[in-house]
Amino acid sequence: GAVVSQHPSWVICKSGTSVKIECRSLDFQATTMFWYRQFPKQSLMLMATSNEGSKATYEQGVEKDKFLINHASLTLSTLTVTSAHPEDSSFYICSVLHQGDTQYFGPGTRLTVL
Amino acid sequence: SQQGEEDPQALSIQEGENATMNCSYKTSINNLQWYRQNSGRGLVHLILIRSNEREKHSGRLRVTLDTSKKSSSLLITASRAADTASYFCASLTLTGTASKLTFGTGTRLQVTL
Repeated sequence: GAVVSQHPSWVICKSGTSVKIECRSLDFQATTMFWYRQFPKQSLMLMATSNEGSKATYEQGVEKDKFLINHASLTLSTLTVTSAHPEDSSFYICSVLHQGDTQYFGPGTRLTVL
Repeated sequence: SQQGEEDPQALSIQEGENATMNCSYKTSINNLQWYRQNSGRGLVHLILIRSNEREKHSGRLRVTLDTSKKSSSLLITASRAADTASYFCASLTLTGTASKLTFGTGTRLQVTL
């Protein structure tokens, strides 16, 4: 399977600041990556689909101006949580699409907003 | 919500017993996948079953798929304490070039010695 990394593993920030999370595909070029959010003891909810070289596609209810996604290369997608608030505290997980129908997931980033 | 349902929400068994988790989904799918997640960690892909398959095996895992009922089950045989984790089903739909994975609500499995 594909190897996916995320950085940072965890981050604590003050309310109102912005936080950038990186997702890297380490062993193949990924034209499509996904960003998910997972609240404690809940399932993963797709936030957006990130396509290299084009705008991300956001799921209904996800604010594109708050969750900025940039997929500038075939190995890197970034998610920036702008003006973070405590309700944005969550576990953010990215995945890469491999061979059209299999996703491999990163280890996740735990965001805590104070 | 298009999220799938899983049951049970939580399952506690003793080592050596079998664990069965069920998943239902809402739309037509291309395949259904099962993932495992240890607490606070990322997801590990366990097994994929395509829409034209009815049963698949991988080691101690057995997956079934019933597209007429929009349901799937995951059986873990001879469970071990290390199997303790949350298990999620995820249904994949392909629309043109768009691929979307919709996760179920998850089953928390506890295997005790």
